[in-house]
Amino acid sequence: DIQMTQSPSTLSASVGDRVTITCRASQSISNWLAWYQQKPGKAPNILIYKASSLESGVPSRFSGSGSGTEFTLTISSLQPDDFATYYCQQYNSYSTFGQGTKVESK
Amino acid sequence: QITLKESGPTLVKPTQTLTLTCTFSGFSLSTSGVGVGWIRQPPGKALEWLAIISWDDNKRYSPSLKSRLTITKDTSKNQVVLTMTNMDPVDTATYYCAHEIYDSAFDFWGQGTMVTVSS
Repeated sequence: DIQMTQSPSTLSASVGDRVTITCRASQSISNWLAWYQQKPGKAPNILIYKASSLESGVPSRFSGSGSGTEFTLTISSLQPDDFATYYCQQYNSYSTFGQGTKVESK
Repeated sequence: QITLKESGPTLVKPTQTLTLTCTFSGFSLSTSGVGVGWIRQPPGKALEWLAIISWDDNKRYSPSLKSRLTITKDTSKNQVVLTMTNMDPVDTATYYCAHEIYDSAFDFWGQGTMVTVSS
């Protein structure tokens, strides 16, 4: 199984901050990686697919990068609506999610 | 517009078999490249991928749960059914179904259904 490790588990930030979340795969997954945002009581919402492709309708302050085993999700200027939990997902071999990163207000 | 909705029991007893149905609209599971998957999330914990079925009836299961899962589709009814045997309290979770295309990420999700395993 491919393991996905996100860091940090929790991130405290303020509106306007640049935020970066990292996801590491236990083996190479090329660029078969997605990022999701999830708010309490709601289903996840896709932000990024194929490591760096922005899903239609997602604000451009979200961006993804990386390939192989190391990936990042960046929010260029954190907005009030962005406080949520973020998950990475590999879909190179079966599929696995990371353990999540909660972005909370500092 | 694509929508998905999960249905099934909210409470099951340990050792019982869980059967969940995903009813969808806005796409067809007979269209090339389309797939429907199941994902679960225990309260306060991370997402866990369970299984996926594709338009060509290709099925893939989480290796750790493979022996307990079965996924099937009924194209005429626009439904996907997931069964999980030998339920245990640790299987208590919100279960989601989701749409994907060409083995990509899940772009549309159902609202989820909470299943509690308790005697």
